[in-house]
Amino acid sequence: DAMVIQNPRYQVTQFGKPVTLSCSQTLNHNVMYWYQQKSSQAPKLLFHYYDKDFNNEADTPDNFQSRRPNTSFCFLDIRSPGLGDAAMYLCATSETDSSYNEQFFGPGTRLTVL
Amino acid sequence: AQKITQTQPGMFVQEKEAVTLDCTYDTSDPSYGLFWYKQPSSGEMIFLIYQGSYDQQNATEGRYSLNFQKARKSANLVISASQLGDSAMYFCAMREGANTGNQFYFGTGTSLTVIP
Repeated sequence: DAMVIQNPRYQVTQFGKPVTLSCSQTLNHNVMYWYQQKSSQAPKLLFHYYDKDFNNEADTPDNFQSRRPNTSFCFLDIRSPGLGDAAMYLCATSETDSSYNEQFFGPGTRLTVL
Repeated sequence: AQKITQTQPGMFVQEKEAVTLDCTYDTSDPSYGLFWYKQPSSGEMIFLIYQGSYDQQNATEGRYSLNFQKARKSANLVISASQLGDSAMYFCAMREGANTGNQFYFGTGTSLTVIP
């Protein structure tokens, strides 16, 4: 089945130790998104790629970076995780960015910062 | 102003009963899409149903239907014959425009608990 895959599902890192979260998709969608979701809150968009075009949300901290080496893969790098970065990180894709295209989400990576 | 408003932080429903989850939206764009997602405790966001702003009829998908009232800017989700597995967080979302690169706007969610 076509899907969005995130690895790992659970990630534990130490304060200040860089961490990379990965996302892959078999849907061949043009757009990939990274969201941060804290407990009992709505997902917050960090950035998205339309093909190779990178779009950063204005309030995304510089501590968060992203790479999309090809259509299928997208990575989220947290350069120096702080305690406040502990959250669920959701990757999503959509065929285009049109208003009628739903987003397909991966299962998420739950990040713990010690 | 909030783009998406969900005023019910938590809802309870008896198994096999119907339940309505409220969603209102704010946009001046004539072209937009409305989406509902379910998020179980496992964390994955599951797409449920879509309604386009130009759709004349309310969307339905199995036990899910969307009560779309355009003039009131509301897009309520109706779940019929609730099941225990419906217990989850439900998010209403909107995307504006056609081919404009606009992001999804999510509401704050409604936590639904189905009681046996």
